[in-house]
Amino acid sequence: AQSVAQPEDQVNVAEGNPLTVKCTYSVSGNPYLFWYVQYPNRGLQFLLKYITGDNLVKGSYGFEAEFNKSQTSFHLKKPSALVSDSALYFCAVRDFNSNSGYALNFGKGTSLLVTP
Amino acid sequence: NAGVTQTPKFQVLKTGQSMTLQCAQDMNHEYMSWYRQDPGMGLRLIHYSVGAGITDQGEVPNGYNVSRSTTEDFPLRLLSAAPSQTSVYFCASSRKWSGGTQETQYFGPGTRLLVL
Repeated sequence: AQSVAQPEDQVNVAEGNPLTVKCTYSVSGNPYLFWYVQYPNRGLQFLLKYITGDNLVKGSYGFEAEFNKSQTSFHLKKPSALVSDSALYFCAVRDFNSNSGYALNFGKGTSLLVTP
Repeated sequence: NAGVTQTPKFQVLKTGQSMTLQCAQDMNHEYMSWYRQDPGMGLRLIHYSVGAGITDQGEVPNGYNVSRSTTEDFPLRLLSAAPSQTSVYFCASSRKWSGGTQETQYFGPGTRLLVL
């Protein structure tokens, strides 16, 4: 089965510093990977995705993610964190099991707290 | 476009009561799905549909029914609510996966359900 893991429940970073939210994947074949963000009491918003091509993917709100096949990772990064980036971040992978209709399998989420 | 809409935003039920969570999308997406979000568990797939008249079970379908009579609507029914169904429910939609292209899933704002 296709799965992702987010090893950190929470990440704390000071405003202006670079941030990284980690994600590793376990798939057979080529992975289709996603990052979503959830602000308090809101739905999930799409940030970026990796399907194929360049290993560095740029997304919304200044976020980017680096696909690393040898390390089976897809870490989310931002050069300079903002307080408004504080939210819950989910990594997800497309499930190629046809019994799921090709749904997304989500990690457990990482809470990002950016302090002033 | 309104995107994916969900009603109600919040609901309190007593054990044994029934209710329907509404989901609608105006993007003409073939694929729709329901997830539940529980703390520390990410999002888990309940049911999904790849088109009008076609539905199937996801990872955690017990206690829930769905139907898809139109492309736009995908209601989720709780037949006899249980405290274990206390959760936040998200509806999502996308174009049908067509092998080689990967469509982004769009999420609704969620319904917060409390079963007493």
